[in-house]
Amino acid sequence: KNQVEQSPQSLIILEGKNCTLQCNYTVSPFSNLRWYKQDTGRGPVSLTIMTFSENTKSNGRYTATLDADTKQSSLHITASQLSDSASYICVVSGGTNAGKSTFGDGTTLTVKP
Amino acid sequence: DVKVTQSSRYLVKRTGEKVFLECVQDMDHENMFWYRQDPGLGLRLIYFSYDVKMKEKGDIPEGYSVSREKKERFSLILESASTNQTSMYLCASSPGGVGQNSFFGQGTRLTVV
Repeated sequence: KNQVEQSPQSLIILEGKNCTLQCNYTVSPFSNLRWYKQDTGRGPVSLTIMTFSENTKSNGRYTATLDADTKQSSLHITASQLSDSASYICVVSGGTNAGKSTFGDGTTLTVKP
Repeated sequence: DVKVTQSSRYLVKRTGEKVFLECVQDMDHENMFWYRQDPGLGLRLIYFSYDVKMKEKGDIPEGYSVSREKKERFSLILESASTNQTSMYLCASSPGGVGQNSFFGQGTRLTVV
């Protein structure tokens, strides 16, 4: 069964600190891995998308890594800001069916002043 | 910028009512999706459509139907709303193909009383 597991479930950090969120998956075949940011009460917004051949992708203070051999990804947030407080969702797609994306349950990040 | 617009941010309906949730995208995307999001369960796919008048069941289609008469519009229908359908509903669209980046609407918080 395809699964995406994210850790930790929740995280609290102080403003200005760095943090790393983890995503492990068992989806096969693999097409791409995406990270989304979801503010409370809003729809998810794309941060990064990585295919099999990419092992790192940055978007401002967000850097995602992918190890397709171990089926692991991480999202690193540098110099956190209060506005980074949100849920971060890892999504893995594969196969030939556009509807077959597997979503993680998300990591809830709280950045405190 | 891609825009995915859901017709309502908040809805309150009575048990047994027929409920329509509308979603419109302005980027000529082939794929459109409806998800529901519940605490601890992440995003779960209800239905998706890869072309006009084409639809496929997702993971939890029971109690729902969909309609896609025009490429830009994808409607989710609750034939007879029940309290266990109280949830956040998210619409998304993506270009054709597998694993394309999805763009989400702002969500509709539906409460069935």
